Amino acid sequence: DAKTTQPTSMDCAEGRAANLPCNHSTISGNEYVYWYRQIHSQGPQYIIHGLKNNETNEMASLIITEDRKSSTLILPHATLRDTAVYYCIAYGYNFGNEKLTFGTGTRLTIIP
Amino acid sequence: GAVVSQHPSWVICKSGTSVKIECRSLDFQATTMFWYRQFPKQSLMLMATSNEGSKATYEQGVEKDKFLINHASLTLSTLTVTSAHPEDSSFYICSARGVGAYEQYFGPGTRLTVT
Repeated sequence: DAKTTQPTSMDCAEGRAANLPCNHSTISGNEYVYWYRQIHSQGPQYIIHGLKNNETNEMASLIITEDRKSSTLILPHATLRDTAVYYCIAYGYNFGNEKLTFGTGTRLTIIP
Repeated sequence: GAVVSQHPSWVICKSGTSVKIECRSLDFQATTMFWYRQFPKQSLMLMATSNEGSKATYEQGVEKDKFLINHASLTLSTLTVTSAHPEDSSFYICSARGVGAYEQYFGPGTRLTVT
């Protein structure tokens, strides 16, 4: 799976949009961009994923650049409960051997 | 939908004893389940992948005789930490993937403390 690079930490004011960047310059054509988050002492929570089109769901939006080398996760109106570590993962079909490889992620802190 | 549970949520055991952790997919059938370990202030590390009805595949450096994995049904996988030692104290997290799906859904984790 392709390696991803994320900033170590970010702060965002409550109520504002949180924009979390991710670089995945070596992503291959069959790899999706997946985002998970982990709130302290809990299991990771699936947020969203995409291949090349922008995606939106009830939690977030995912913007993927046209060359697919980077993406941005957007939490439109951040709340204190969004404080967590956010993981961007390139993940795709691998003949049944698909694995999620977690990097160090971005520690997002929502400031009241 | 896509709920995964783990039991127990936390456990304290004495050095040398064995501990079993259960992972259940509550509302879907999971052909594949994964076990991760997370030490404080570190990221999740995949320990092993298990497919229902077959032997687990362990990641490099993970002792298969120490971490016994059983995936006997499409909704249950168990991890047994045998002869636990204090260095096995960690947060153990399972995930499950449904039939024909890519997404993994994670359990809430089990915190193991070995004294």
